[in-house]
Amino acid sequence: DVKVTQSSRYLVKRTGEKVFLECVQDMDHENMFWYRQDPGLGLRLIYFSYDVKMKEKGDIPEGYSVSREKKERFSLILESASTNQTSMYLCASSSRVAFTYEQYFGPGTRLTVT
Amino acid sequence: AQSVTQLDSQVPVFEEAPVELRCNYSSSVSVYLFWYVQYPNQGLQLLLKYLSGSTLVESINGFEAEFNKSQTSFHLRKPSVHISDTAEYFCAVSESAGSGGSYIPTFGRGTSLIVHP
Repeated sequence: DVKVTQSSRYLVKRTGEKVFLECVQDMDHENMFWYRQDPGLGLRLIYFSYDVKMKEKGDIPEGYSVSREKKERFSLILESASTNQTSMYLCASSSRVAFTYEQYFGPGTRLTVT
Repeated sequence: AQSVTQLDSQVPVFEEAPVELRCNYSSSVSVYLFWYVQYPNQGLQLLLKYLSGSTLVESINGFEAEFNKSQTSFHLRKPSVHISDTAEYFCAVSESAGSGGSYIPTFGRGTSLIVHP
């Protein structure tokens, strides 16, 4: 069964802290994505990666960075957390070679920055 | 750039009534179309997709969607809803390969389907 896991379901951090969100997929997918979900705004793409060590900015990369050292793992980093980064963060993966095109999502991490 | 419009942010409906969730997209070039569902406190999961072939696609739980190229629409329908269909529904469109040959979908803002007993 296809699986995308995220390291935490809920996270509370203080302003200025460095925050790491981890995502792992077990489907050998080439593509991995980080989204932010806010009420009324839908999903907004932060970063995506189509291969190990490759990364591309999405629509809202400011204040975030990513790391992909292994194919199955994609990390989102908030260098200095701010209250406006309080949100639900969703990780997803997809295959670039299977021509199915759909994404598989993790359960999400609800981050609160105080 | 592609844009996806879900015309209704919230759709309340009574159990066993029919429902339609609307989705329009901007580009008329070749596209791949998706509906995802998000149940409370969960991630998104694929409900159905259109890649090619028959313009009417169905899910295993009774939803269907029809690709209408001339109207650039992909509306989601169900003839009789259940309480368990209460969820957030997202329409997504992929139109071309981006970096590394990857298809990056554009999502609508979502429609909250609320089924009342």
